[in-house]
Amino acid sequence: EVQLVESGGGLVQPGGSLRLSCAASGFTFSSYWMHWVRQAPGKGLVWVSRINSDGSTTSYADSVKGRFTISRDNAKNTLYLQMNSLRAEDTAVYYCASSGAAGYWGQGTLVTVSS
Amino acid sequence: QAVVTQEPSLTVSPGGTVTLTCGSSTGAVTSGHYPYWFQQKPGQAPRTLIYETSNKYSWTPARFSGSLLGGKAALTLSGAQPEDEAEYYCLLSYSGARVFGGGTKLTVL
Repeated sequence: EVQLVESGGGLVQPGGSLRLSCAASGFTFSSYWMHWVRQAPGKGLVWVSRINSDGSTTSYADSVKGRFTISRDNAKNTLYLQMNSLRAEDTAVYYCASSGAAGYWGQGTLVTVSS
Repeated sequence: QAVVTQEPSLTVSPGGTVTLTCGSSTGAVTSGHYPYWFQQKPGQAPRTLIYETSNKYSWTPARFSGSLLGGKAALTLSGAQPEDEAEYYCLLSYSGARVFGGGTKLTVL
């Protein structure tokens, strides 16, 4: 059974940091590009970042560039998102997802940025 | 950053056919934008239906199909079922970055 399980969300103050993790199982994680996507309460999906299969290239949405860093550990089948300088507008459910022929999604982890 | 446009809402009758479209502010959508389509029901995580314009997954119902139509990406639902009522999002690629459309709320009524 394929699973993507996000963790690391929670309540953080503005300006703080969080590291999200996404543990993958049931498919060949190292073969696929991975993405982080977020969704603010009651709003649409917003693409955040992507990383290629071996971790050598990354891309970011303008809204998070310079603050967020995506990475992966293929030996641990895990995707990460390091989030720094968090703002209230970063409050959302964060999903990890695989792309291409492996179109899987996790259930999401809630990040709340508030004082 | 490019803007991706979708119809805010559409209604289809049970058993009917409806086409959702996905346009780009930069011009015509092509296969080089690698269009994806996602379905999201209330309280659930999204589910990928179509990747790279027209490719389906094992879980994609046969009644859904993807294409390029009139300079846009299109998702056609033929033979709508009540369980197809959901929000649908498209995603386009722009030289590494990706942009979601605002979503189409599809009502089956």
